[in-house]
Amino acid sequence: GENVEQHPSTLSVQEGDSAVIKCTYSDSASNYFPWYKQELGKGPQLIIDIRSNVGEKKDQRIAVTLNKTAKHFSLHITETQPEDSAVYFCAASRGGNQFYFGTGTSLTVIP
Amino acid sequence: KAGVTQTPRYLIKTRGQQVTLSCSPISGHRSVSWYQQTPGQGLQFLFEYFSETQRNKGNFPGRFSGRQFSNSRSEMNVSTLELGDSALYLCASSFSGSAVDEQFFGPGTRLTVL
Repeated sequence: GENVEQHPSTLSVQEGDSAVIKCTYSDSASNYFPWYKQELGKGPQLIIDIRSNVGEKKDQRIAVTLNKTAKHFSLHITETQPEDSAVYFCAASRGGNQFYFGTGTSLTVIP
Repeated sequence: KAGVTQTPRYLIKTRGQQVTLSCSPISGHRSVSWYQQTPGQGLQFLFEYFSETQRNKGNFPGRFSGRQFSNSRSEMNVSTLELGDSALYLCASSFSGSAVDEQFFGPGTRLTVL
């Protein structure tokens, strides 16, 4: 089955700096890669996603890049704010609403 | 539009007991997936239901089961609870079944097995 690895497990950045989280996947048939943000006591919330026919996608301060050849994708958050502090998960899916998640990155933005 | 709701939010059981968790998807969504979240294993896929049929299943023992009703509400059941079943159980709903589309997660049910 699919195996998704995520790095780093923890990340601290100063407010205003950028944060980058990286994931790799093993199943070349995976074609959908969402990123989720999970705050304490809440379920994961989709923040951005990318499909395998696209190399990059941006939404305001958040961007995701995908390298299908290398089987890795990354989340980039620019101009970080304290409210960006949360756990971030990457995921991969080949369909059927079955998702494989990375182990999460705890992001702390220091004011 | 109301989000995904899960009940109960917290549950404490003892080993050997069984438990039933409930999930109400977003109105109009027909696909419901269940995940187990633990600090050690992260988010792991349990199963997915679409139109009352289990369509996908993860690598969990048969003690974990589920069902979906005609109104798309779903329940999952864990029998003969073990300490290792302590986790946050998340339910996610999505509109379609055939294509990969956005999943919306509920807040989860925190199960503690003593």
